[in-house]
Amino acid sequence: AQSVTQLDSQVPVFEEAPVELRCNYSSSVSVYLFWYVQYPNQGLQLLLKYLSGSTLVESINGFEAEFNKSQTSFHLRKPSVHISDTAEYFCAVSERDNTDKLIFGTGTRLQVFP
Amino acid sequence: DGGITQSPKYLFRKEGQNVTLSCEQNLNHDAMYWYRQDPGQGLRLIYYSQIVNDFQKGDIAEGYSVSREKKESFPLTVTSAQKNPTAFYLCASRGIAFADTQYFGPGTRLTVL
Repeated sequence: AQSVTQLDSQVPVFEEAPVELRCNYSSSVSVYLFWYVQYPNQGLQLLLKYLSGSTLVESINGFEAEFNKSQTSFHLRKPSVHISDTAEYFCAVSERDNTDKLIFGTGTRLQVFP
Repeated sequence: DGGITQSPKYLFRKEGQNVTLSCEQNLNHDAMYWYRQDPGQGLRLIYYSQIVNDFQKGDIAEGYSVSREKKESFPLTVTSAQKNPTAFYLCASRGIAFADTQYFGPGTRLTVL
């Protein structure tokens, strides 16, 4: 069975500092990987995804994530955060041969302070 | 605008009452999903449907029911059998292309008094 672990439930950081949100997964088959962002009292929005090809994927707002197969990780990074990045971030995984279902991690709350 | 709508945004019900949450999409997506979100637990799948008139239980289906009579609609009923129904409920949809992304609605916060 697949599982996703987000070890950090909360990450506090000052504005303009770099940040890394960690995500590790467990699966016996090949996977697709996703990061979603959720602002307070809203639904989830796709931030970025890894399907194949280059292991480094980027979003339009400066986030990037790198798929590391040997470490079964898909950490999310941003070199300089803004107040507006304050939100909850979810890592998710689906099987390559069965993309009907997503398995989510428990989320990491990023709090950016001025 | 294409998207997923959920109504209402906030819902209050008395204990023992059934309540139905609405989810509509105009993205022409075949698959639709219902998730429950509780603090610190991430999202848990309740039910999902890949085609009209067919649906499958997710990980926490007990106390919930769904129907899929139309492609664009996937209502969720929270029954009185659900022991702890207070939560944030999210609906999502997905196209049938391989590895298509799930898109989410804005959610409904249900509070049972």
